[in-house]
Amino acid sequence: GALVYQYPRRTICKSGTSMRMECQAVGFQATSVAWYRQSPQKTFELIALSTVNSAIKYEQNFTQEKFPISHPNLSFSSMTVLNAYLEDRGLYLCGARDRSSGNTLYFGEGSRLIVV
Amino acid sequence: QQQVRQSPQSLTVWEGETAILNCSYENSAFDYFPWYQQFPGEGPALLISILSVSNKKEDGRFTIFFNKREKKLSLHIADSQPGDSATYFCAARGNNYAQGLTFGLGTRVSVFP
Repeated sequence: GALVYQYPRRTICKSGTSMRMECQAVGFQATSVAWYRQSPQKTFELIALSTVNSAIKYEQNFTQEKFPISHPNLSFSSMTVLNAYLEDRGLYLCGARDRSSGNTLYFGEGSRLIVV
Repeated sequence: QQQVRQSPQSLTVWEGETAILNCSYENSAFDYFPWYQQFPGEGPALLISILSVSNKKEDGRFTIFFNKREKKLSLHIADSQPGDSATYFCAARGNNYAQGLTFGLGTRVSVFP
């Protein structure tokens, strides 16, 4: 079955430092990968979306300079939160779209960022 | 402005009852509506989804009713079980796969035995 793995599950970092998180789609070909941040106040915020043969598209309020994303192929993606501060806290979710099922977006368990 | 709205914010039902979760949207271009179930400490898992060409989708105890004219849909959880206690998110997207999903704020469901 389609699975999305995220690592690490949880990170505590000091204010001003950075955190890198990884996402891997297993068992299917991901036609696109989306990174979301889930916080209690703002539900799911789409950070960026990358699709086959297209550049990574960042949503308003999110930039490549702050959230650089690397994806050597659409089964693996990594994102870094640079210079993390309190407002960057939340659960970072990777969603991968399964080519064979068209619309279905599968999420990983998320990487929780705690900033102290 | 919240493009996908959910109500109620929280819902409590007894085991065996039907839980009804509501969702409405603003963008008439949305045509795909998945519902995700999320347990504390876990990522959201796709529960059931519907396309705007349908007005009903059923999967076991879970049923989506969709009203395109009113831009409303609802998720019915029949014969609710304590294990159904979770937060349920309604999401929406247009037919452009390059777009991300737009999520509602969720409905927290508690099922008491």
